[in-house]
Amino acid sequence: RKEVEQDPGPFNVPEGATVAFNCTYSNSASQSFFWYRQDCRKEPKLLMSVYSSGNEDGRFTAQLNRASQYISLLIRDSKLSDSATYLCVVNKDRYGGATNKLIFGTGTLLAVQP
Amino acid sequence: DVKVTQSSRYLVKRTGEKVFLECVQDMDHENMFWYRQDPGLGLRLIYFSYDVKMKEKGDIPEGYSVSREKKERFSLILESASTNQTSMYLCASSSGGPHETQYFGPGTRLLVL
Repeated sequence: RKEVEQDPGPFNVPEGATVAFNCTYSNSASQSFFWYRQDCRKEPKLLMSVYSSGNEDGRFTAQLNRASQYISLLIRDSKLSDSATYLCVVNKDRYGGATNKLIFGTGTLLAVQP
Repeated sequence: DVKVTQSSRYLVKRTGEKVFLECVQDMDHENMFWYRQDPGLGLRLIYFSYDVKMKEKGDIPEGYSVSREKKERFSLILESASTNQTSMYLCASSSGGPHETQYFGPGTRLLVL
């Protein structure tokens, strides 16, 4: 079983749609969770951290379910510029580790259509 | 703004050549990482370093070595390049702590012929 699993997509949605991505992780000791965005042929960039209580940043909402080891990202009112690959990222080491090693999912491709 | 730079965006090498990929960060980060990214496999950690002259193997260190002589610079070395090392190589850095995110350089696309 992969340490971080995501639906690879692609998700083809019209502008203005709401789209949700899901991710599961296998290490119950993980403490930090993130969503990264990667544009075609570019480096990954942090989109948002994911907190236990859930958090929102504009049109983006991230949620964490520790019991189910499940993370989600909701994008409302999709824009053409949201087209990218979204990577689910989980830290590998228990809190207190010297280095925050991250495990990256293989990503979910989103294509927003005009 | 965090800046991570990599020495080359594109590189073409021949099988058996020694290849050096350089990464520099300007945020005084303790931790630096080298990943490779391949279609369908995602990012895989090759090596990381949590301090000058300190290094640890990641998930796929075979065929690679690293060097960190200065805090801001982390080099990845392919001792004898092989065709299966054709990939996108990404360097990242982070400050200490389990909740700190990583910042990536633009990547180096390496083609080994």
